[in-house]
Amino acid sequence: GAGVSQSPRYKVAKRGQDVALRCDPISGHVSLFWYQQALGQGPEFLTYFQNEAQLDKSGLPSDRFFAERPEGSVSTLKIQRTQQEDSAVYLCASSLAERSDSYQETQYFGPGTRLLVL
Amino acid sequence: SQQGEEDPQALSIQEGENATMNCSYKTSINNLQWYRQNSGRGLVHLILIRSNEREKHSGRLRVTLDTSKKSSSLLITASRAADTASYFCATYDYKLSFGAGTTVTVRA
Repeated sequence: GAGVSQSPRYKVAKRGQDVALRCDPISGHVSLFWYQQALGQGPEFLTYFQNEAQLDKSGLPSDRFFAERPEGSVSTLKIQRTQQEDSAVYLCASSLAERSDSYQETQYFGPGTRLLVL
Repeated sequence: SQQGEEDPQALSIQEGENATMNCSYKTSINNLQWYRQNSGRGLVHLILIRSNEREKHSGRLRVTLDTSKKSSSLLITASRAADTASYFCATYDYKLSFGAGTTVTVRA
């Protein structure tokens, strides 16, 4: 009965460093989402996976951001050459069904990874 | 870019009072959802209202939706200290588009 988990919970990186953020969705959930939440703002969509397929990456802010979900469960969001503007909370969410199933709209969020780039 | 805009940005009330916050959005929707976020529990889904519904209740929560005005409201009745959190509306198009949120402080 575990929920969505994310690691690490906090990450401090020096500008220019690469970071990798991990998300463990609820077991059996087909859909996985990444969101970015800047301080004082609401979360903003980054990318979407349906099983292992990345079907929407329209929210990724630059080509320094890369996400994968190779076996359709755990997902990793990687940020290369981090910049100060990347400082934010990165939220992962999962839901049971595919995006075409309009009656399975509830997304379950993890606690987030707070990234601080110095 | 944010789809929704919440109003007010911040709200401070006494325990036992009601709290009302509003959300306006820009495009047509499938449904609209409200979430709560606090430091202890992360982002939690509260209630979903579909585009063909006008009002919905869940415990102490009441949500209204006016699609002609592209607006929604969330009412929390008989507030408690544990209701202290940020509240976000989000429109659903398989992905969620959130507003900037309303920060609610409930004073004991």
